Amino acid sequence: QKEVEQNSGPLSVPEGAIASLNCTYSDRGSQSFFWYRQYSGKSPELIMSIYSNGDKEDGRFTAQLNKASQYVSLLIRDSQPSDSATYLCAVNHSGAGSYQLTFGKGTKLSVIP
Amino acid sequence: DADVTQTPRNRITKTGKRIMLECSQTKGHDRMYWYRQDPGLGLRLIYYSFDVKDINKGEISDGYSVSRQAQAKFSLSLESAIPNQTALYFCATGTRGIATQHFGDGTRLSIL
Repeated sequence: QKEVEQNSGPLSVPEGAIASLNCTYSDRGSQSFFWYRQYSGKSPELIMSIYSNGDKEDGRFTAQLNKASQYVSLLIRDSQPSDSATYLCAVNHSGAGSYQLTFGKGTKLSVIP
Repeated sequence: DADVTQTPRNRITKTGKRIMLECSQTKGHDRMYWYRQDPGLGLRLIYYSFDVKDINKGEISDGYSVSRQAQAKFSLSLESAIPNQTALYFCATGTRGIATQHFGDGTRLSIL
């Protein structure tokens, strides 16, 4: 059973602070890692993808990947109230199932004005 | 217009009824997926299809069936709906060579 674990939160941060979201996964052969943002009642929206160890930055978002530790994180700098949402970590299956994703249950982020 | 369109957006029905949820896409993607989302359980894969002749069961396919009518259309059927199938259902698409998936707006289904 391929598993993706996230802290369910809620994670509360003040406006302007850095929010740090974490994810661990069980499939050591996974190669593709994604962060989706989901507002309440809405569909998941892709915000970051990462495929290599290290950091990947896009605006206020930074994804970090450590395959040896099977760990993915998302940092949100200068957090805004509009960042309040549930963040889903998704990891692809290794091998023949590489186009399947397993999703974590999500971390709910609340940015306090 | 949305690239991945799901119909209906909301549906309330009774136990035992047959229900079809439809998904169409204009992204030109070959892969299509159906998920359900329940509070506390996250997104779970029901069925997926890599082309019109390739249909695969996901994690929770019991009680569901699918049809890939065309490259752009993928429908999900509940043959005899039961209350524990009440959930938010999402269709997603993906393209060859990339694991990224793109989601439709979802269908909120309530079975009484």
